[in-house]
Amino acid sequence: NAGVTQTPKFQVLKTGQSMTLQCAQDMNHNSMYWYRQDPGMGLRLIYYSASEGTTDKGEVPNGYNVSRLNKREFSLRLESAAPSQTSVYFCASMSLGGTLEQYFGPGTRLTVT
Amino acid sequence: AQSVTQLGSHVSVSEGALVLLRCNYSSSVPPYLFWYVQYPNQGLQLLLKYTSAATLVKGINGFEAEFKKSETSFHLTKPSAHMSDAAEYFCAVSMNTGGFKTIFGAGTRLFVKA
Repeated sequence: NAGVTQTPKFQVLKTGQSMTLQCAQDMNHNSMYWYRQDPGMGLRLIYYSASEGTTDKGEVPNGYNVSRLNKREFSLRLESAAPSQTSVYFCASMSLGGTLEQYFGPGTRLTVT
Repeated sequence: AQSVTQLGSHVSVSEGALVLLRCNYSSSVPPYLFWYVQYPNQGLQLLLKYTSAATLVKGINGFEAEFKKSETSFHLTKPSAHMSDAAEYFCAVSMNTGGFKTIFGAGTRLFVKA
């Protein structure tokens, strides 16, 4: 049982490049989330998917897109990276019928130069 | 709108001393409240949660928190700090808006001195 996995662990992009962050969970959870973590700002929700086939914007969605590929996978895409998107990105999942605990992946550290 | 405020971005205690990390929230509906811990270069893991049962909630590693509705607070305590408690702690509030969303506080970094 791997829990929540994220790839890649580290990435450096040039301004204007695009990339997709991958996230997968093997706990059969309905809901999945993407957060970014910046010093002194806690975690801010970028997008979430309450269930397979649905996605919704969070607090800071500008510059990002998401795809809920199936129940297991939820990807985050940066179409044209900007230095302001330098951050640590966390994926999380939650079972609505359970304890409401979110399970987090190990994170992706992204630097945009 | 829901929000979470953690008082103090850094807290330093001596080993064996009381740990108190403060959290206040605002929520228009009965909240679900959480404390998460993050060790360096790792994701977050759940310490404890309040989901409208007992107001005093016990978690892992000897931590506990008390939900006080009148004060809109959910402070985290531990009677005796260990060196291994040094980490960043996040208070969070969840609400159901067709899918549960969680709002996190800015975090409090706990330092434990020998």
